[in-house]
Amino acid sequence: AQSVTQLGSHVSVSEGALVLLRCNYSSSVPPYLFWYVQYPNQGLQLLLKYTTGATLVKGINGFEAEFKKSETSFHLTKPSAHMSDAAEYFCALRGTGTASKLTFGTGTRLQVTL
Amino acid sequence: DGGITQSPKYLFRKEGQNVTLSCEQNLNHDAMYWYRQDPGQGLRLIYYSQIVNDFQKGDIAEGYSVSREKKESFPLTVTSAQKNPTAFYLCASSPGLSDNEQFFGPGTRLTVL
Repeated sequence: AQSVTQLGSHVSVSEGALVLLRCNYSSSVPPYLFWYVQYPNQGLQLLLKYTTGATLVKGINGFEAEFKKSETSFHLTKPSAHMSDAAEYFCALRGTGTASKLTFGTGTRLQVTL
Repeated sequence: DGGITQSPKYLFRKEGQNVTLSCEQNLNHDAMYWYRQDPGQGLRLIYYSQIVNDFQKGDIAEGYSVSREKKESFPLTVTSAQKNPTAFYLCASSPGLSDNEQFFGPGTRLTVL
């Protein structure tokens, strides 16, 4: 069985501040990990993904995430928040060697204030 | 432009009625998926299809049905057996079932009156 836990359903940061969205996972096989972003009433857009290789992954819009196997974590960060970053963010997992069924976390809504 | 289209964007239904949500993709992807999104629950997989004329139940298939008669189309029917159908429905596709990235459509918001 596999699962994804996102700590904090709502996160609020000031514009220009560091963004940190937390994701922990549980998987019996090496995981592939993803971060998606969703703007209101829209579909999901892939921000970044970790499959194999480098554990620090850079994505679009200045976001990055680091895969830490020892901590079973894949936290999303951005050095400086922008108003346009306000959205809901989902962490997702797929176990390697399995069909491409994604398991999603419950999401974290990011609010950016002036 | 290649992508996934879902229609309609908003859908209202009376209790006891079946309703079909459309999903079309022109990405030439083999695999397609339907997810349901509820506030605070993330996305849950309803059905997925690896190839034409084949589909598998996901985690919450009860009260839903699908068909895959064409590679580019994967309609979802929400039947009257679905006890709580009001939700946001998202369709996705990927080149194959083992591919890493799924591409999502814009979604359909279904409200049961």
